[in-house]
Amino acid sequence: NAGVTQTPKFQVLKTGQSMTLQCAQDMNHNSMYWYRQDPGMGLRLIYYSASEGTTDKGEVPNGYNVSRLNKREFSLRLESAAPSQTSVYFCASTSGSEVSYEQYFGPGTRLTVT
Amino acid sequence: EDQVTQSPEALRLQEGESSSLNCSYTVSGLRGLFWYRQDPGKGPEFLFTLYSAGEEKEKERLKATLTKKESFLHITAPKPEDSATYLCAVQDYSGGYQKVTFGTGTKLQVIP
Repeated sequence: NAGVTQTPKFQVLKTGQSMTLQCAQDMNHNSMYWYRQDPGMGLRLIYYSASEGTTDKGEVPNGYNVSRLNKREFSLRLESAAPSQTSVYFCASTSGSEVSYEQYFGPGTRLTVT
Repeated sequence: EDQVTQSPEALRLQEGESSSLNCSYTVSGLRGLFWYRQDPGKGPEFLFTLYSAGEEKEKERLKATLTKKESFLHITAPKPEDSATYLCAVQDYSGGYQKVTFGTGTKLQVIP
């Protein structure tokens, strides 16, 4: 049981380049999330998917797009990277049931935009 | 707007020296308060969920408590392997279960 996996672990982009961050979970969870974590700030929600086939904006969605490919996979795309998007990105999932809202996180992708 | 404030920002303890971390929160209606542990270079790891004032949960040397305005993470006789950043997060009713607000964390260092 791998939990939540993310690829790549590290990435360096030049301003204007695009890339897709991949996330997959094997816990049969309904809901999946993308966060960014910056020094001195709490985790901030970029996008989430409450269930397969749905996606919604979080707190900081500008400059990002997402795709919920199936129940297991949720990808985050940067169409034209900017230095302000230098951050650590975490994918998370939760069962989303009425009694269980705790989130399980992947190991993160460390992205640098130069 | 939901707010979560954690204190202190950093804490240095001698091995065996017990202490507490604080999480103060403001939410319109608390659905749950979560504690996570984050090791350097890794994703947060879930520790506890607390749902109502007066609730307590324990795991090894950690004990989490909840009041209507704050939560404490008590660390009893810590060991060096307890060194990590501890994150607090709250979820409220108004935003639906997707809305979780995280604090900035307390970085704990336990010295042998």
